[in-house]
Amino acid sequence: GDSVTQMEGPVTLSEEAFLTINCTYTATGYPSLFWYVQYPGEGLQLLLKATKADDKGSNKGFEATYRKETTSFHLEKGSVQVSDSAVYFCALRGLGGSGNTGKLIFGQGTTLQVKP
Amino acid sequence: GAVVSQHPSRVICKSGTSVKIECRSLDFQATTMFWYRQFPKQSLMLMATSNEGSKATYEQGVEKDKFLINHASLTLSTLTVTSAHPEDSSFYICKTGTSTEAFFGQGTRLTVV
Repeated sequence: GDSVTQMEGPVTLSEEAFLTINCTYTATGYPSLFWYVQYPGEGLQLLLKATKADDKGSNKGFEATYRKETTSFHLEKGSVQVSDSAVYFCALRGLGGSGNTGKLIFGQGTTLQVKP
Repeated sequence: GAVVSQHPSRVICKSGTSVKIECRSLDFQATTMFWYRQFPKQSLMLMATSNEGSKATYEQGVEKDKFLINHASLTLSTLTVTSAHPEDSSFYICKTGTSTEAFFGQGTRLTVV
């Protein structure tokens, strides 16, 4: 079945460092891909998404490109801030889901800690 | 965007007792609610899908008699962990959405001692 694999955390970086969180997926067809972020004490929030191959999602300085050839959707940010400390989840929605009320399949989450 | 309020955020209970987790959608009608569970260092796993006014659909391997889901209204869905055991200790989170967005509750950390 469909699955998502993320790099294990925690990831600890200094402020202004470059961030990469790897995410690869297994799915039939062309799923939609998402990155969600969960700040301490809050629910998951959509960070960015891409719905077809070669699409680049971006938000708040974060970017991820849908790579069909490598089945990847790695999250990157050029210069992290302390406020980026959170748990990041990669997810996919297969072709069976309708709109955004469909079933999401998540990676295990990667904790990012940014130190001043 | 819409807000989903999930309570409690943390709960510790004794083995054999039951715990109820609530998710309320505050400014829209949640026709469908998804319930997920996350064990340490593992993915969020879908447990069940509930539609307002009908029985929930459980994923394979999830005991429907142990994890009771009620979705009697468009603004409230509940998950009750019955006769909880230490292996039920986990992070539980609800999710609903519109045609363009998904909204998550804050999650509930359940510890069974």
